[in-house]
Amino acid sequence: DTGVSQDPRHKITKRGQNVTFRCDPISEHNRLYWYRQTLGQGPEFLTYFQNEAQLEKSRLLSDRFSAERPKGSFSTLEIQRTEQGDSAMYLCASSLGQGAAGNTIYFGEGSWLTVV
Amino acid sequence: DQQVKQNSPSLSVQEGRISILNCDYTNSMFDYFLWYKKYPAEGPTFLISISSIKDKNEDGRFTVFLNKSAKHLSLHIVPSQPGDSAVYFCAAQDDKIIFGKGTRLHILP
Repeated sequence: DTGVSQDPRHKITKRGQNVTFRCDPISEHNRLYWYRQTLGQGPEFLTYFQNEAQLEKSRLLSDRFSAERPKGSFSTLEIQRTEQGDSAMYLCASSLGQGAAGNTIYFGEGSWLTVV
Repeated sequence: DQQVKQNSPSLSVQEGRISILNCDYTNSMFDYFLWYKKYPAEGPTFLISISSIKDKNEDGRFTVFLNKSAKHLSLHIVPSQPGDSAVYFCAAQDDKIIFGKGTRLHILP
């Protein structure tokens, strides 16, 4: 399977704990995005990378959230001191990032986070 | 402030008829528009897109129409099939992609 893969698919954690999600994009895709989705809402932009450079981070993202893409391939999203409001599906997506076809982003299956 | 709006939370359509999903946007700088389909517990799946320099793009049963003057786009599905029942998200791009809240489409037998 050469699509976007995310790990873990489900995570249940106690409030105050740290969690980390991993995303492996489609190979040769330069851009990698993180989104969050809650019930009844569309995917909400969190941050994105062009290769290893983090180009934009949502103003809505608190400083408890950090993302990295150290070698321009896989990415991690860490949430520190989790709160119940962090419970959501965290979606990773990737795109070529250039040309007309590069505008289309392809999503992974998502990582469900439940904070109890 | 929502830049991409899908004002119909849900839509029911008889199997075999046309489904029309609507979307409005506020930012005239968007240069690319996309539609995604989502089943429960899965990530969104890309359906069809359109560049801002075009007014129509067709792919099989799916056609997207863009009216730039009205800042409006629509997705037509014809004929509608039971497997089309899902949540449909409209999205628009400048650097990042911004999504609407989605419309849940029910195809009735």
